[in-house]
Amino acid sequence: EVQLVESGGGLVQPGRSLRLSCTASGFAFGDYAMGWVRQAPGKGLEWVSLIRRKAYGETTEYAASVRGRFSISRDNSKSIVYLQMNSLKTEDTAVYYCTREMHYYDSSGHHVADLYYSDYWGQGTLVSVSS
Amino acid sequence: SYELTQPPSVSVSPGQTASITCSGHSLGDKYVNWYQQKPGQSPVVVIYQDIKRPSGIPARFSGSNSGNRATLTISGTQAWDEADYYCQAWDGNTAVFGGGTKVTV
Repeated sequence: EVQLVESGGGLVQPGRSLRLSCTASGFAFGDYAMGWVRQAPGKGLEWVSLIRRKAYGETTEYAASVRGRFSISRDNSKSIVYLQMNSLKTEDTAVYYCTREMHYYDSSGHHVADLYYSDYWGQGTLVSVSS
Repeated sequence: SYELTQPPSVSVSPGQTASITCSGHSLGDKYVNWYQQKPGQSPVVVIYQDIKRPSGIPARFSGSNSGNRATLTISGTQAWDEADYYCQAWDGNTAVFGGGTKVTV
């Protein structure tokens, strides 16, 4: 059974840092891209970041709203993906979900470009940024 | 930045068909995913790559995408389909979600 368990959320002051962790189990972690999506209280989903699997160089992508402040990384030996959040702002307050990212496939079973959908989600961890 | 627009709400009677739209510039040139989120729960993918249904998702969920609009259709809507639905697409190397549509049955 695929499981994604986030941890590390909490209350933090503006300008401070926080690191989220997502511990994965039930699948070959190193074979998948992983991501983070957040949801502010009472609001919609916002894509945050993606880290590709080793075969794709573990390269990373970020939403414009967090680029330069957040950093995603992974430890394949421990099946953990991290989100380092620096210079936090009040607008970063949200539930942060860890996601497993699945490639699209064409009818021949080949990857379709560098595109994904989130086939598994964690339960989320709440980050509150307030003074 | 790329934007996806969804109606805030859709109301449907049980057993009827609900259509949820997602609009974006040349959206038909991109693949669209759809997620269902019930109160207090994590999202679940119901349609990916425009038209594909993950295993375990009922066949009453279907998708289409053409021109500037993608549509999630729920045929024979059930009470437990009541939820928020979000479309998602990739614009270059970043993903974008629509604002979400609350479906009331």
